[in-house]
Amino acid sequence: QVRLQESGSRLVRPSETLSLTCAVSGDSISSSFYSWSWVRQPPGKGLQWIGYIYPSGSTYYSPSLKSRVTISIDTSKNQFSLNLTSVTAADTAIYYCARVRTGQRFDPWGQGTLVTVSS
Amino acid sequence: DIQMTQSPSSLSASVGDRVTITCQASQDISNYLNWYQHKPGKAPKLLIYDASNLETGVPSRFSGSGSGTDFTFTISSLQPEDIATYFCQHYGPLPITFGQGTRLEIK
Repeated sequence: QVRLQESGSRLVRPSETLSLTCAVSGDSISSSFYSWSWVRQPPGKGLQWIGYIYPSGSTYYSPSLKSRVTISIDTSKNQFSLNLTSVTAADTAIYYCARVRTGQRFDPWGQGTLVTVSS
Repeated sequence: DIQMTQSPSSLSASVGDRVTITCQASQDISNYLNWYQHKPGKAPKLLIYDASNLETGVPSRFSGSGSGTDFTFTISSLQPEDIATYFCQHYGPLPITFGQGTRLEIK
């Protein structure tokens, strides 16, 4: 069974960098069948796609976040990561990682981690 | 960006009821639409892909239909374990976008 687990800083100060890691178990992150994605949900709002990465390292980002986002992959540790720079309160959200199958099907997802931006 | 307008935002129904949720895309997305179930504190779960295909292991009371700009998600007979938030997701041209979600409660 494939499982994804987010980890990282739960509290980030404004203007600093949010960093999260998604550990994958039960599947190889190097598989060419999938990409690996980050999605977030601000309090009281809908889901927002952040971006995804292929095992080759190719990335695709949401245009609204592209200038601040980096997604990277570490095949030796079977994990991928999210860095979001210059955060503000608007970046407070539950952050999810997910495996992306053919047809952009997000499955499975991690349980999510709440990141709060506050001084 | 393609906007996904999902309705209603919340819904209260009785066990055994037929429940319908709609998603409207701001432009033609063919059948490039998926549906998910999200229970509090748990990981979202894929239910329907390509607008109408049931994911393996998902009960047959769940179904989806539609193409182009108008899509429907249906629970034929609501069960207590179906209490969750449901949301749609398009995968036409990037960026991927999601509906705002429908919170389903038991009456």
